[in-house]
Amino acid sequence: GQNIDQPTEMTATEGAIVQINCTYQTSGFNGLFWYQQHAGEAPTFLSYNVLDGLEEKGRFSSFLSRSKGYSYLLLKELQMKDSASYLCAVRSGGYNKLIFGAGTRLAVHP
Amino acid sequence: GAGVSQTPSNKVTEKGKYVELRCDPISGHTALYWYRQSLGQGPEFLIYFQGTGAADDSGLPNDRFFAVRPEGSVSTLKIQRTERGDSAVYLCASSRDRGTGELFFGEGSRLTVL
Repeated sequence: GQNIDQPTEMTATEGAIVQINCTYQTSGFNGLFWYQQHAGEAPTFLSYNVLDGLEEKGRFSSFLSRSKGYSYLLLKELQMKDSASYLCAVRSGGYNKLIFGAGTRLAVHP
Repeated sequence: GAGVSQTPSNKVTEKGKYVELRCDPISGHTALYWYRQSLGQGPEFLIYFQGTGAADDSGLPNDRFFAVRPEGSVSTLKIQRTERGDSAVYLCASSRDRGTGELFFGEGSRLTVL
C-alpha cells in the first residue's frame, strides 16, 4: 500500500520562511508533487520532484530524498495569500495517478 | 475550454436517489481522473481514464459508483442509491499523457446527501 504523512496544521508570520515536511511509503515511486489548495477552490500544481535534490521556483522550493522517503516544501517571504492547504502527492507506476496526503493547513498571520 | 469544467457546482439530494456529475476536461488532454475530497482530507483517487477506457477504477468504493467517457472527452460520474457517506466534493482533473504529471483540476461538484 501507500502511506503519506504530513503535519495537519502550521502557522507562520508574514515575511518569514516555513518548511512543510512530507514522508511517504510507496512501491514503484515515480515522482513527488506539491499542490496548493485555497479553501473552497481546486488544487493547483506547485512543484514536481523525481530525482533527489532541490527544485526552486521563485519563492517556493521543493526537496526530495528518495532513499529516506522524504520531501519538503519551502516557502520564503511568506505572504498572507499563502494561507492555504498544501498537499503532498506521490505518483507510482506508469501514468499520472497521484495519491495525496491529507494536506497541511498553513495560516500566515501579520 | 480554457480549464476543466464541472457541473453542477452544487448538488443536494436525498438518500437513495441517483446522481450524475459531469466533467469537461481541457481540450486535447487524453487522461481524465475523478477524485473525491472530504472536509479536511486530501483528494482520494476514484478512477482514471485514458481516452475512452477506464484504465484504473481501483478507487471506486463500491458498485454504486460508475463512470463513463464515451467519446474520450466529457466524462460522467454516476452514483446510484446515494448514501449520506457519499457527501463530499467530487473533483475532476485532466492531464496530458505524461509530462511532469501536472493534473489540472476543476472546481469540483459539492454533493450533499440528506
